[in-house]
Amino acid sequence: EAGVAQSPRYKIIEKRQSVAFWCNPISGHATLYWYQQILGQGPKLLIQFQNNGVVDDSQLPKDRFSAERLKGVDSTLKIQPAKLEDSAVYLCASGLYRAAVGSPLHFGNGTRLTVT
Amino acid sequence: GIQVEQSPPDLILQEGANSTLRCNFSDSVNNLQWFHQNPWGQLINLFYIPSGTKQNGRLSATTVATERYSLLYISSSQTTDSGVYFCAASRPSGNTPLVFGKGTRLSVIA
Repeated sequence: EAGVAQSPRYKIIEKRQSVAFWCNPISGHATLYWYQQILGQGPKLLIQFQNNGVVDDSQLPKDRFSAERLKGVDSTLKIQPAKLEDSAVYLCASGLYRAAVGSPLHFGNGTRLTVT
Repeated sequence: GIQVEQSPPDLILQEGANSTLRCNFSDSVNNLQWFHQNPWGQLINLFYIPSGTKQNGRLSATTVATERYSLLYISSSQTTDSGVYFCAASRPSGNTPLVFGKGTRLSVIA
């Protein structure tokens, strides 16, 4: 089966510019997650979707970050305007079942963002 | 929220050696997973193991939920085992997401 697809692989922007990341989860997976991983740290959840509804966005900096999951499949994560501290790898993951039940999480290759 | 602590933070092994990585969590969990992040940054799911023991080749994992810890065993280590190993856990209430530890960085040298 195809894995989680993410694009672009790398992105370099200047501060105050905007950027968007795209994710296509594994077919049939109900839950989709966006994680931010800063160098040397573990991934930190930004937002969690169950089908096309938001389950948890408590750690999403909503003044600059936004995300949507149209039709319960693909998802986009946007940053506008970007700050230097947003430099990180943005990871998309999907899971078969809703989080309360629990199922293995599968990650895409991530998008490495550098803000200069 | 739940706290996840991993030890040791760094580990250097000679090829062929065995190792044990530990993950402690602060609350009861219904979801415990181990991941390997390779030097290219890709995160691979190794085990979904909220309780009990599982084995996959040279890797095995054990979670003792009542004592709030999980162990990952690597036997006969190979250079391709190098990378960062993450433990992630979530509590059994609502749709709480997985919380990741800081990882154990493993270097296997030939």
